[in-house]
Amino acid sequence: DAGITQSPRHKVTETGTPVTLRCHQTENHRYMYWYRQDPGHGLRLIHYSYGVKDTDKGEVSDGYSVSRSKTEDFLLTLESATSSQTSVYFCAISVEGDNQPQHFGDGTRLSIL
Amino acid sequence: GESVGLHLPTLSVQEGDNSIINCAYSNSASDYFIWYKQESGKGPQFIIDIRSNMDKRQGQRVTVLLNKTVKHLSLQIAATQPGDSAVYFCAENGGGNTPLVFGKGTRLSVIA
Repeated sequence: DAGITQSPRHKVTETGTPVTLRCHQTENHRYMYWYRQDPGHGLRLIHYSYGVKDTDKGEVSDGYSVSRSKTEDFLLTLESATSSQTSVYFCAISVEGDNQPQHFGDGTRLSIL
Repeated sequence: GESVGLHLPTLSVQEGDNSIINCAYSNSASDYFIWYKQESGKGPQFIIDIRSNMDKRQGQRVTVLLNKTVKHLSLQIAATQPGDSAVYFCAENGGGNTPLVFGKGTRLSVIA
């Protein structure tokens, strides 16, 4: 396994509440990514980080923010969760940003009621 | 897990046969490609990658073929086993230092 831990693994919450998902890696990889996976859409990039305090937006960043204060941790926050953000969220890591495989965690299933 | 598999094309093969899963990529500038396997309830697992200066690469029981002329990628699995049942999807890098773009996937179902 790639040494990636996502927490929590499952969460149910209500619309309008803040939610933070955590990704922790033990590989000391520079790049970290947050994706969401929904039926009919495949994996879509939310945000990614190319170093401590260096982040950039992905394809579906609206409604999400991220922070990376340490190499090993990448946090995804939904400031005010909406039902459209019900999804499975995956964290991934890679040594460099291009021409390198990404390795994924086992996901967080988030349900927003 | 199971929600990933909705609306996906499905390939059914007999145990022991060879499987071929296809992927059409969109960006002619892409020069790096990856195949992933995703089992129910788990994250995508790296299988094999290939760079655009190659047209074939082999791993353990898997072969990836790249045809840049028609922008086509395929994954061949030899002697398919029940443990190969999963969703498989390809990813391309879009050329340059850009994040990977993932295909929607194909479900492989192995019939014992």
